[in-house]
Amino acid sequence: NAGVTQTPKFRVLKTGQSMTLLCAQDMNHEYMYWYRQDPGMGLRLIHYSVGEGTTAKGEVPDGYNVSRLKKQNFLLGLESAAPSQTSVYFCASSYRPTGGNSPLHFGNGTRLTVT
Amino acid sequence: KQEVTQIPAALSVPEGENLVLNCSFTDSAIYNLQWFRQDPGKGLTSLLLIQSSQREQTSGRLNASLDKSSGRSTLYIAASQPGDSATYLCAVVNSGYALNFGKGTSLLVTP
Repeated sequence: NAGVTQTPKFRVLKTGQSMTLLCAQDMNHEYMYWYRQDPGMGLRLIHYSVGEGTTAKGEVPDGYNVSRLKKQNFLLGLESAAPSQTSVYFCASSYRPTGGNSPLHFGNGTRLTVT
Repeated sequence: KQEVTQIPAALSVPEGENLVLNCSFTDSAIYNLQWFRQDPGKGLTSLLLIQSSQREQTSGRLNASLDKSSGRSTLYIAASQPGDSATYLCAVVNSGYALNFGKGTSLLVTP
């Protein structure tokens, strides 16, 4: 059982370039999330999805777009990367909403550097 | 805005000790509180989830308590082992879908 898989694991971009981070889960979870983790800031929610075809903004959505065309996949896009988007990005999924009694399952992260 | 604080920021103990990690939060209107473990270069692993109506949860050598009225939670690790070395993160859910995370406690258990 793979759980939550993120690709790629590492990426270096130049300012202004675009890229897509892929998250795939095999647990049939309805809810999926993208977080970023920065030193001294903790983890912050970027966007989330409550089911196939839905997306919503989290705490820090600016500069990112997402899509959930299939239940098992949640894509995070950077249209024009900026150095402030240098971070470690984590995808997570859960069977029920975060306020319920099912825990989040996290991927191993994508380390992105924007120069 | 919810603020989650974890004390201490770092902790080093010899193997076999019992230890307590602390988490405090400013807004007590939470749905649940969750403890996670993060190993270097890895994602987060869920350890314990305490619903707002519960006082504690246990899993193996781990016990987490919740005092919602005072805005505090503790994670108790019994008989610590070198394999417990990791960063431990506390997070709460108030509303919406975001977990509000603390900055973590970095634990080192020495043989």
